[in-house]
Amino acid sequence: GAVVSQHPSWVICKSGTSVKIECRSLDFQATTMFWYRQFPKQSLMLMATSNEGSKATYEQGVEKDKFLINHASLTLSTLTVTSAHPEDSSFYICSAVRSANTGELFFGEGSRLTVL
Amino acid sequence: GENVEQHPSTLSVQEGDSAVIKCTYSDSASNYFPWYKQELGKGPQLIIDIRSNVGEKKDQRIAVTLNKTAKHFSLHITETQPEDSAVYFCAATRGYGQNFVFGPGTRLSVLP
Repeated sequence: GAVVSQHPSWVICKSGTSVKIECRSLDFQATTMFWYRQFPKQSLMLMATSNEGSKATYEQGVEKDKFLINHASLTLSTLTVTSAHPEDSSFYICSAVRSANTGELFFGEGSRLTVL
Repeated sequence: GENVEQHPSTLSVQEGDSAVIKCTYSDSASNYFPWYKQELGKGPQLIIDIRSNVGEKKDQRIAVTLNKTAKHFSLHITETQPEDSAVYFCAATRGYGQNFVFGPGTRLSVLP
């Protein structure tokens, strides 16, 4: 199946620093990518929809200035957690929609962020 | 908007038995229904999907059925194995570019 690569898989940072997570579709072009946050033993919480070449659409309650999303190309979207705090510690997952008639959604491996 | 419910939340079966997970959706315009398997510490993996013009789809031990009239779809796993143990999510969407709405997940445990 299609491959979506997410990097880094885990990161530990100090409070107040910024962390960037990359999401790449390796064998297809993705006009649309989604970013999710997942708490332990819970479902996927959509944070924002990232469209190539335009501003991301954020879900209600998600601070766009805190979670910066950039979708500069058809294969790359980035999520930057700015001025991270311990409450931002979580599992972040990206997904990409294959830009073909199928519209299938493929997920990255996830990034575990721990803010000390 | 779309709302997806999923049952049961947890399911334990003996190795070799079958497992069935059911999802219902509310938006009659939804036309694509994927299922994902998520292992601990990993991202969800697409295991099977079905479109609204099909009633059933099978891939080896996994099958999915769709009842458009009743707005529900189910995942069937036969001859379960310990490696099938994971959290399974169903989802519904209106189609390409539209948001995917996920169910709350089912934690499947296959007991050896």
